[in-house]
Amino acid sequence: GENVEQHPSTLSVQEGDSAVIKCTYSDSASNYFPWYKQELGKRPQLIIDIRSNVGEKKDQRIAVTLNKTAKHFSLHITETQPEDSAVYFCACGGATNKLIFGTGTLLAVQP
Amino acid sequence: DTEVTQTPKHLVMGMTNKKSLKCEQHMGHRAMYWYKQKAKKPPELMFVYSYEKLSINESVPSRFSPECPNSSLLNLHLHALQPEDSALYLCASSQDGPAGVDTQYFGPGTRLTVL
Repeated sequence: GENVEQHPSTLSVQEGDSAVIKCTYSDSASNYFPWYKQELGKRPQLIIDIRSNVGEKKDQRIAVTLNKTAKHFSLHITETQPEDSAVYFCACGGATNKLIFGTGTLLAVQP
Repeated sequence: DTEVTQTPKHLVMGMTNKKSLKCEQHMGHRAMYWYKQKAKKPPELMFVYSYEKLSINESVPSRFSPECPNSSLLNLHLHALQPEDSALYLCASSQDGPAGVDTQYFGPGTRLTVL
């Protein structure tokens, strides 16, 4: 069945450093790859997404890269700030309305 | 309006109570979702409505009953819940076009506690 693995489960970085979170998926029909940020007690918020016809997408300090052949995609955050601290979830979607979520990464940015 | 709203924010109920969670969106989205989220876990899909029809039911126990009165509203009726059903219940919505899955926007959730 569909499966999304996400690593690492926790990540601690110093303010100003970069953070990278990786996800691997199993369903070759997946064609939509969003990343959500969820602060404690808040809703998941979409921060960036990419479709399978694109290899990379960037939005200010956030970028996502996709390798469809290897079935993995990554979130890159540069110049991290304390307010980037949150849980980040990757997800995959395909032909149906169903998103399969990764297990989440708790990112802590130390001032 | 680019928000999904949910009421109530918090709900405490006994195992014999009947309650309902409500969700509303005015973005013209035609797909709406219920998710359950336990602490430190990803959202877990429960139901999907597409054009007001139930399209996905992820084998959810019958004590959870979804309803979609119109394209803007989604309800989740709760009856005879168990303490293990305590969780954050998230509603989401998305466009439902020919490209398949689309960006899902989440509501703030209802924090449910079953005593």
